[in-house]
Amino acid sequence: NAGVTQTPKFRILKIGQSMTLQCAQDMNHNYMYWYRQDPGMGLKLIYYSVGAGITDKGEVPNGYNVSRSTTEDFPLRLELAAPSQTSVYFCASSLTGAGYNEQFFGPGTRLTVL
Amino acid sequence: GENVEQHPSTLSVQEGDSAVIKCTYSDSASNYFPWYKQELGKRPQLIIDIRSNVGEKKDQRIAVTLNKTAKHFSLHITETQPEDSAVYFCAASIDSNYQLIWGAGTKLIIKP
Repeated sequence: NAGVTQTPKFRILKIGQSMTLQCAQDMNHNYMYWYRQDPGMGLKLIYYSVGAGITDKGEVPNGYNVSRSTTEDFPLRLELAAPSQTSVYFCASSLTGAGYNEQFFGPGTRLTVL
Repeated sequence: GENVEQHPSTLSVQEGDSAVIKCTYSDSASNYFPWYKQELGKRPQLIIDIRSNVGEKKDQRIAVTLNKTAKHFSLHITETQPEDSAVYFCAASIDSNYQLIWGAGTKLIIKP
């Protein structure tokens, strides 16, 4: 049982480039989340999904897009990368909603935009 | 909407002493309050949680207390050890919500 996995671990992008951060979970969780964590700061929710085919915006969705075609995968797409998107990105999943169950986090992707 | 404030932002205690981190929330409908620990360079992990029908919950050296009237909850760590050094996040949620509202975090430093 791998839990929540994320790729890549590190990435450096140039301004204006695009990339997809991959996230997968093998716990058959319905709920998945993308957070960003800026240096020395807390977690901010970017997007979340309550099941395959259903996604919704969180607190800071601008500049990002998501899709959820399967229960297992929840990729995050960055279009036209900007220095303000330099951050650590965490994917998480939970069996039911955040008000009921523990969120399990992936190891994170450290992204630098230069 | 819900807002969670966490204090202090940094806490330094002598090894073996107790540490207390406090959070306040604004929405009286919130009824689930987890605490996550994040070691340096690692992912956040749940260490303890409490629901609004309970006033206190303990797990070995850690405990969480909840005061619904005052809308605040606290994390207590007794007999602190070096491995307790980390950033601790509180959060709050309403059952019907899909989201957690997170505090800003407390960096706990254990001095030898």
